[in-house]
Amino acid sequence: DAGVIQSPRHEVTEMGQEVTLRCKPISGHNSLFWYRQTMMRGLELLIYFNNNVPIDDSGMPEDRFSAKMPNASFSTLKIQPSEPRDSAVYFCASSTGQWNTEAFFGQGTRLTVV
Amino acid sequence: DAKTTQPTSMDCAEGRAANLPCNHSTISGNEYVYWYRQIHSQGPQYIIHGLKNNETNEMASLIITEDRKSSTLILPHATLRDTAVYYCIVRAGSSNTGKLIFGQGTTLQVKP
Repeated sequence: DAGVIQSPRHEVTEMGQEVTLRCKPISGHNSLFWYRQTMMRGLELLIYFNNNVPIDDSGMPEDRFSAKMPNASFSTLKIQPSEPRDSAVYFCASSTGQWNTEAFFGQGTRLTVV
Repeated sequence: DAKTTQPTSMDCAEGRAANLPCNHSTISGNEYVYWYRQIHSQGPQYIIHGLKNNETNEMASLIITEDRKSSTLILPHATLRDTAVYYCIVRAGSSNTGKLIFGQGTTLQVKP
């Protein structure tokens, strides 16, 4: 398996533009997580899905952020409109969803909003 | 999920054992201890986890005290490639998801 695949790896956009980050989880995994990492706040859990359904989105910073999982093999995290403070590395992770199992992380998308 | 406390940073000589401590004094009976690490610019990587017994795999050993209020991750022969941030996390075993809440972790610097 190729692991969790995120695209793009790097994204530079101007303030006010819409940004869409993409994630393909490991086949057979039914839990998916979006994290954001900054120097100031570390790794923050934004939202997680179980069987394509959002379970907890309490970490989503504000309404400008939205996430979808239309099927078991694809998820998106959208920021509209983007702001410079959204600059961070965004990680996607997946797991089987069973307790006592580990989560596998993608390589992340480095977002820079100028 | 219980909160964990780790030292901010540690050094280790290459080839020696690296012992990374973690305090989780409020851990509940059904909570597991997980360890992840993050090498610069990469996504976090799973290392090991345990409930109350000591665990060992190809990467590391996990020693959990009898009262489960603390644990130690042991890298038996540290190499320069083990330089990373190490995260200790406790997670409810009854949870049906892999939800992981990360703290600040310990930055381990392995020196030649």
